Amino acid sequence: QVQLVQSGAEVKKPGASVKVSCKASGYTFTSYYMHWVRQAPGQGLEWMGIIHPGGGSTNYAQNFQGRVTMTRDTSTSTVYMELSSLRSEDTAVYYCARADTVTGYDYWGQGTLVTVSS
Amino acid sequence: EIVLTQSPGTLSLSPGERATLSCRASQSVSSSYLAWYQQKPGQAPRLLIYGASSRATGIPDRFSGSGSGTDFTLTISRLEPEDFAVYYCQQYGSSPITFGPGTKVDIK
Repeated sequence: QVQLVQSGAEVKKPGASVKVSCKASGYTFTSYYMHWVRQAPGQGLEWMGIIHPGGGSTNYAQNFQGRVTMTRDTSTSTVYMELSSLRSEDTAVYYCARADTVTGYDYWGQGTLVTVSS
Repeated sequence: EIVLTQSPGTLSLSPGERATLSCRASQSVSSSYLAWYQQKPGQAPRLLIYGASSRATGIPDRFSGSGSGTDFTLTISRLEPEDFAVYYCQQYGSSPITFGPGTKVDIK
């Protein structure tokens, strides 16, 4: 069965960077795009960007340009999202989500809480 | 960027009642690439509807989606206790992908 398992919660200081992982299993890793979405406490869903695990191409939301980097390791079927220059407003749950071009986000990771606090 | 507006913000209903949720887009959504997700506290969102009207795998038939262009609707024919949650619409036809602000369905 398809599973996306994310790394554990992180606490970071303002100005630091965080790298969240998302390990995929149960399907052909290189056949589906992976997206990252975040949700601040009590707020809605915000799209951060997309990576194609096959070729590694990326497309980032304008709000995160210059601060976010998405990468993948095909040997471990894992995608990574690194966010730099963290500020308190980046405190959120970060999700990876598998994307099918027809169905949208059919599988989600369990979420990773990133807390930015001095 | 396509802006999605959802209404109402909160819907207070009783189990067994019908829920009608609206999602309006600022411009036409490409090829009906409109999805609906359900989210419960502490959980990741779950895909309910894709392509505006197709139910995702395992979703009960009390959930239905309709609409095209800029106006979309999610209908829950008879609310079950487990349906009280927040519902988000999403357009995934053009970049950037955008979500609506959500509609909370709570128990009256």
